[in-house]
Amino acid sequence: EAQVTQNPRYLITVTGKKLTVTCSQNMNHEYMSWYRQDPGLGLRQIYYSMNVEVTDKGDVPEGYKVSRKEKRNFPLILESPSPNQTSLYFCASRGLAGGQEYFGPGTRLTVT
Amino acid sequence: GENVEQHPSTLSVQEGDSAVIKCTYSDSASNYFPWYKQELGKGPQLIIDIRSNVGEKKDQRIAVTLNKTAKHFSLHITETQPEDSAVYFCAAKPPGYSTLTFGKGTMLLVSP
Repeated sequence: EAQVTQNPRYLITVTGKKLTVTCSQNMNHEYMSWYRQDPGLGLRQIYYSMNVEVTDKGDVPEGYKVSRKEKRNFPLILESPSPNQTSLYFCASRGLAGGQEYFGPGTRLTVT
Repeated sequence: GENVEQHPSTLSVQEGDSAVIKCTYSDSASNYFPWYKQELGKGPQLIIDIRSNVGEKKDQRIAVTLNKTAKHFSLHITETQPEDSAVYFCAAKPPGYSTLTFGKGTMLLVSP
């Protein structure tokens, strides 16, 4: 089954404690992306990657890092989380030239 | 960059009525316009998309129309059912190796 998986699904942490949210896809997609979803603001792109070892900033990259060492994985790293990063995060993937973007189930992060 | 405006932000209809959600985009080069449905607790899922060489596309009870001159596109849902209740996002993408830009979403509530 074609899918994008994210872990963990729910995470409560404290300010400053480094965390990583994993994302993996089984569709051999070149393009992967991270979004955050906040009430009234819709889906805003954090970072994206066109292929292995190629990453670019999206609209709201501050406070986040990503890496793309393998085609299937695209982890999101928060080196020093702050309360304003409390949000619902989605990973997505698609083929490089376009077409349907497949979303993961989401990770709800709370930073206290 | 691309900017997508979506209206209304919330829409309440009675079961059996039609629902229309409208989006405008700013980049005249955009040529791919998908619509996503997000049910509670899940990631967005593609429900229909249209490319700029087509003015209208229909899939059972849902249809999308595109007016390239005015740079707007709309989602039409006929004979709405309670299971249509969800958040709907429009998006636009220019050609080539580029990213999707999403609207802020419309919460559709269909009352029995």
